[in-house]
Amino acid sequence: KAGVTQTPRYLIKTRGQQVTLSCSPISGHRSVSWYQQTPGQGLQFLFEYFSETQRNKGNFPGRFSGRQFSNSRSEMNVSTLELGDSALYLCASSLQGAPPGDTQYFGPGTRLTVL
Amino acid sequence: DAKTTQPNSMESNEEEPVHLPCNHSTISGTDYIHWYRQLPSQGPEYVIHGLTSNVNNRMASLAIAEDRKSSTLILHRATLRDAAVYYCILRGQVFGNEKLTFGTGTRLTIIP
Repeated sequence: KAGVTQTPRYLIKTRGQQVTLSCSPISGHRSVSWYQQTPGQGLQFLFEYFSETQRNKGNFPGRFSGRQFSNSRSEMNVSTLELGDSALYLCASSLQGAPPGDTQYFGPGTRLTVL
Repeated sequence: DAKTTQPNSMESNEEEPVHLPCNHSTISGTDYIHWYRQLPSQGPEYVIHGLTSNVNNRMASLAIAEDRKSSTLILHRATLRDAAVYYCILRGQVFGNEKLTFGTGTRLTIIP
């Protein structure tokens, strides 16, 4: 099976712009989660989608949003970019979202740089 | 979420066993202990998980203390490819709770 894919892998934007990142989960996986990784804050949970509905949400401002399509693919959007949004954005998919046995599989991430 | 405590860094010689400790004194009775690792320039990958009994898989072994307040990830024969940041994470048995709470992890360096 193909793994989790994320596009683009690298992105450079300027402050005030908006950006959309894409994630394709492993075939058959219905849960998609997003994480932000920065040197200062480490890995932080953004939100999770299951069957096109946001099911869990982390502590991020409303500028961060997402959606999931009927084929389980997910997009994440960040509006009005700030310098502090520069980070590695990771997407993870799992089968049903049923811990503990339902493990998450991570993609390689999208490296966003905000200038 | 219950917290875990891990050493910031560890070193080990290649081809020797590595024991990575994790303390989780506030673990609840239904929390599973998960380990993920993140290799350089990659997303995290699942390593192993367990509840009470020790667990083995092709990647590693997980030894869980009898009181469950600590656990140890064991890499039986470290290779250079095992150099990564290792995260110990507690996960409750709540359907739909897909949030993984990562701590700072342990950066493992393998010395050739």
